[in-house]
Amino acid sequence: GDSVTQMEGPVTLSEEAFLTINCTYTATGYPSLFWYVQYPGEGLQLLLKATKADDKGSNKGFEATYRKETTSFHLEKGSVQVSDSAVYFCAFLTRGSEKLVFGKGMKLTVNP
Amino acid sequence: EPEVTQTPSHQVTQMGQEVILRCVPISNHLYFYWYRQILGQKVEFLVSFYNNEISEKSEIFDDQFSVERPDGSNFTLKIRSTKLEDSAMYFCASSDQVNYGYTFGSGTRLTVV
Repeated sequence: GDSVTQMEGPVTLSEEAFLTINCTYTATGYPSLFWYVQYPGEGLQLLLKATKADDKGSNKGFEATYRKETTSFHLEKGSVQVSDSAVYFCAFLTRGSEKLVFGKGMKLTVNP
Repeated sequence: EPEVTQTPSHQVTQMGQEVILRCVPISNHLYFYWYRQILGQKVEFLVSFYNNEISEKSEIFDDQFSVERPDGSNFTLKIRSTKLEDSAMYFCASSDQVNYGYTFGSGTRLTVV
């Protein structure tokens, strides 16, 4: 069935370190892909999205490229900040469905 | 920036009691959703709602659950007879288009004792 597999944390990095969070998906049909972020005490916020193959989504220094051949949507940031400490969720929507399928989420802590 | 507002932020209820979780979606949005996250598990889809009716629901959304848009602004999730396993964080979301991502609220933490 439809599912998302993402790196399990928690992960702790130092400020200015490079971040990669791997995400692969199994979807029936051609999905739109998303990364959501949840800061402490807040709701899920859309971080970035990509709706077709080879699209790159970007926001706040984060990037992810829709790789159809590897069914992946890995999240990267070149230099993390303390304020990036949060839980990151990979998700997709299959066309024709309104159901977002989420990964388990990965908690990131960035230390000064 | 427009927000989805959920109340209460935390609710404790006794097993077997009815609960209503409330949400105020973004005012010009047309699509409304409920998701839940049991502690330590994935965020799961419950139901989507458009044009005053359910458009899609998951197998979790059984007869114990119902949704309603009682007026032009609120969107509610009712659980008729709560069970211990209903304890979770419940997220409301809304969107103006499908497939473009949703705006989520901060969630209601429901604890059934």
